[in-house]
Amino acid sequence: AQKITQTQPGMFVQEKEAVTLDCTYDTSDQSYGLFWYKQPSSGEMIFLIYQGSYDEQNATEGRYSLNFQKARKSANLVISASQLGDSAMYFCAMRELESGGGADGLTFGKGTHLIIQP
Amino acid sequence: KAGVTQTPRYLIKTRGQQVTLSCSPISGHRSVSWYQQTPGQGLQFLFEYFSETQRNKGNFPGRFSGRQFSNSRSEMNVSTLELGDSALYLCASSLVSGETQYFGPGTRLLVL
Repeated sequence: AQKITQTQPGMFVQEKEAVTLDCTYDTSDQSYGLFWYKQPSSGEMIFLIYQGSYDEQNATEGRYSLNFQKARKSANLVISASQLGDSAMYFCAMRELESGGGADGLTFGKGTHLIIQP
Repeated sequence: KAGVTQTPRYLIKTRGQQVTLSCSPISGHRSVSWYQQTPGQGLQFLFEYFSETQRNKGNFPGRFSGRQFSNSRSEMNVSTLELGDSALYLCASSLVSGETQYFGPGTRLLVL
């Protein structure tokens, strides 16, 4: 079974609109971390935001916020006031901190290709 | 602070050859992880090094190996290259294992 599921292969959004990118995860660990990365066409993975499984507040970083619903195992990324430069691939990732002691690396979803239209 | 650097950025090899990729982490970061990204398999974890020790390895054949030096710089080696090894190889560093990983620009390897 996939550990990270991103159900939106691609999205078209009008500039200045808010965007929600979906991510669900599967783990039996109680301690884990959830990450979102942005990958422009250049290839570099850019860290956007992090949510720990024990964090009670949803994480926010500028225009990015993470809608964390632990019971539903959901960690959606919300981008407010989208910009043309937000066009990129977006990956949701998880690191399980119990079973592998944090040494198993990040598990990534398949990604969502976001295109912002003017 | 300088980010993660990877060299070379692009590489073309032929089947059967070997290749070595290099990664310099962010200053002060002691953990380095490697990932392979292909259109078919997506992003897959290769291995992680911390304090010159391999902590864990993903599901890759023994042709894929790596090491980490005392200055935290890391190298990844792929021997007997196959066409399927064509990929973007990404290196990421973090202060210690389990912390947020910051990625380099990647090395695009093409095997002919």
